[in-house]
Amino acid sequence: LAKTTQPISMDSYEGQEVNITCSHNNIATNDYITWYQQFPSQGPRFIIQGYKTKVTNEVASLFIPADRKSSTLSLPRVSLSDTAVYYCLAADNAGNMLTFGGGTRLMVKP
Amino acid sequence: EADIYQTPRYLVIGTGKKITLECSQTMGHDKMYWYQQDPGMELHLIHYSYGVNSTEKGDLSSESTVSRIRTEHFPLTLESARPSHTSQYLCASSEGWLGGLFFGSGTQLSVL
Repeated sequence: LAKTTQPISMDSYEGQEVNITCSHNNIATNDYITWYQQFPSQGPRFIIQGYKTKVTNEVASLFIPADRKSSTLSLPRVSLSDTAVYYCLAADNAGNMLTFGGGTRLMVKP
Repeated sequence: EADIYQTPRYLVIGTGKKITLECSQTMGHDKMYWYQQDPGMELHLIHYSYGVNSTEKGDLSSESTVSRIRTEHFPLTLESARPSHTSQYLCASSEGWLGGLFFGSGTQLSVL
């Protein structure tokens, strides 16, 4: 299971694009990268998942370079409601033991 | 929308009591997990199961125990609660890894 490293916190303003990078230097061949969002007193919520290159859905994009040692979650035009903690995980398809890192606390300001 | 339920949502009990936190999912997922999280801190995996009659300890030592007699049910039990057990307990399930984890709303436990 690849250990991940993220910035502890980030600040942004409404309407800006936010990019949060996660390092996973010892990622294994079978590992996928998944990002979650967590609001206070709630469980994390799945945002996006990818293996390589670029993945986009209705809420975010995920960029993964060819060496897969890092990934970047991109949130377009953030709003105040995007203030939350964002976690990245790198794990294989067996998914038997899924350990979260410290996450990135994003604060969106007016 | 994922269907995974945790009860109770909040629980305040005295030291020494035995408690069971309930977690049920209606998605037929084989894999289920329990995480413990203190306010503002990261999630710690305390137990997981990859199917009926299988349970494993996570990376954080916990005095709690779990059971998996039915696919949909993964209860967590504390035989004798202590103030150090005060925390939020989050249950999750997944069907393999693709598609990610589905989390319940959590149980906020306070032991006095």
